[in-house]
Amino acid sequence: GQNIDQPTEMTATEGAIVQINCTYQTSGFNGLFWYQQHAGEAPTFLSYNVLDGLEEKGRFSSFLSRSKGYSYLLLKELQMKDSASYLCAPMDSNYQLIWGAGTKLIIKP
Amino acid sequence: IAGITQAPTSQILAAGRRMTLRCTQDMRHNAMYWYRQDLGLGLRLIHYSNTAGTTGKGEVPDGYSVSRANTDDFPLTLASAVPSQTSVYFCASSEAAGGNYEQYFGPGTRLTVT
Repeated sequence: GQNIDQPTEMTATEGAIVQINCTYQTSGFNGLFWYQQHAGEAPTFLSYNVLDGLEEKGRFSSFLSRSKGYSYLLLKELQMKDSASYLCAPMDSNYQLIWGAGTKLIIKP
Repeated sequence: IAGITQAPTSQILAAGRRMTLRCTQDMRHNAMYWYRQDLGLGLRLIHYSNTAGTTGKGEVPDGYSVSRANTDDFPLTLASAVPSQTSVYFCASSEAAGGNYEQYFGPGTRLTVT
């Protein structure tokens, strides 16, 4: 079966660094997406990894290990506006995204 | 450029009624998707279309139907609404070609079935 596992909720302090982990099992694999979703809004694209390693994009970085079925999203210099849910979504052999339930990130001053 | 639009924004619907949720994209994307999102659950795929004229069933298709008569529009119909269809519905589109599989989402429709 297909399964995505990520923490339900995390809390971090403004200005700090937080790492959100995601483990997955899918039927085939064609890369992994991370999306951000603020409460009451639609998901928006953050990153896409298809090869192993770290992809850096400003304050956000995403890492992939295909052999371990593992990815993480790293957020640096946290700001209050980063309070949101972060969705891990690997893409299966049919190029369909399989969505995790998301990690709600709470930023405290 | 609007991207993806959905209508209505929200709706309260009596059980047993028929309802069509509208979705239009102006990016000439090949693929379009309908998801529902419920508290504590991930986005669940209802139906998808890889290209105009074709549709496919997702994870939770029962009680829903779709059509893709052209590239831009992908309406979702609830033939006879039931309370378990109370949810937030998101439409998304993707180029789905040339390695570009990022999905762009519409603002969502909040549906309550009473």
